Amino acid sequence: DAKTTQPNSMESNEEEPVHLPCNHSTISGTDYIHWYRQLPSQGPEYVIHGLTSNVNNRMASLAIAEDRKSSTLILHRATLRDAAVYYCILRYSGAGSYQLTFGKGTKLSVIP
Amino acid sequence: EAGVAQSPRYKIIEKRQSVAFWCNPISGHATLYWYQQILGQGPKLLIQFQNNGVVDDSQLPKDRFSAERLKGVDSTLKIQPAKLEDSAVYLCASSSLRGDSYEQYFGPGTRLTVT
Repeated sequence: DAKTTQPNSMESNEEEPVHLPCNHSTISGTDYIHWYRQLPSQGPEYVIHGLTSNVNNRMASLAIAEDRKSSTLILHRATLRDAAVYYCILRYSGAGSYQLTFGKGTKLSVIP
Repeated sequence: EAGVAQSPRYKIIEKRQSVAFWCNPISGHATLYWYQQILGQGPKLLIQFQNNGVVDDSQLPKDRFSAERLKGVDSTLKIQPAKLEDSAVYLCASSSLRGDSYEQYFGPGTRLTVT
């Protein structure tokens, strides 16, 4: 499986933008980039995913490098509720395989 | 829509005892996953079902762990006998096969402590 590298932890001030980086230099052309987050004492929740183009949804934006070897999850205005562990995951897009392989993720702390 | 339900939320047992966890996925979701999450680590997939068939159980310690999904809906995960290293949160997730995200929806998990 292609691997991802994320910083162990990051801090952000409340109401400021947050850029969470992810390196995936061995990504293949058939891998989707997924982001999930896990709030304290909860199961992970889907945030966003993309293949080649930048993506926006109500929760966040995903910026994907032109060579696809890195991506950045952007939270436009961090709130205290965004304090969580953020996982960057590569998911093979071939038929019959929908598995996610989680790493340790980035623990985001939001300072009031 | 109702989310993924799991029970119990917490369980404390002694080593060598047995334990079972229950999961009710989102209605209509064909795929169901069980994960183990040890403190400080990301979730690790134990087993994946599609309807009531096993797709992948390569990381399930089959000498002590078993899982079933009767009628392609609810699922149970059992540990017998438990070891200290089984202390973890056990997460159940489900997904449909529509669209391209195959988004997985997770339950709140069952926190198991083995003493």
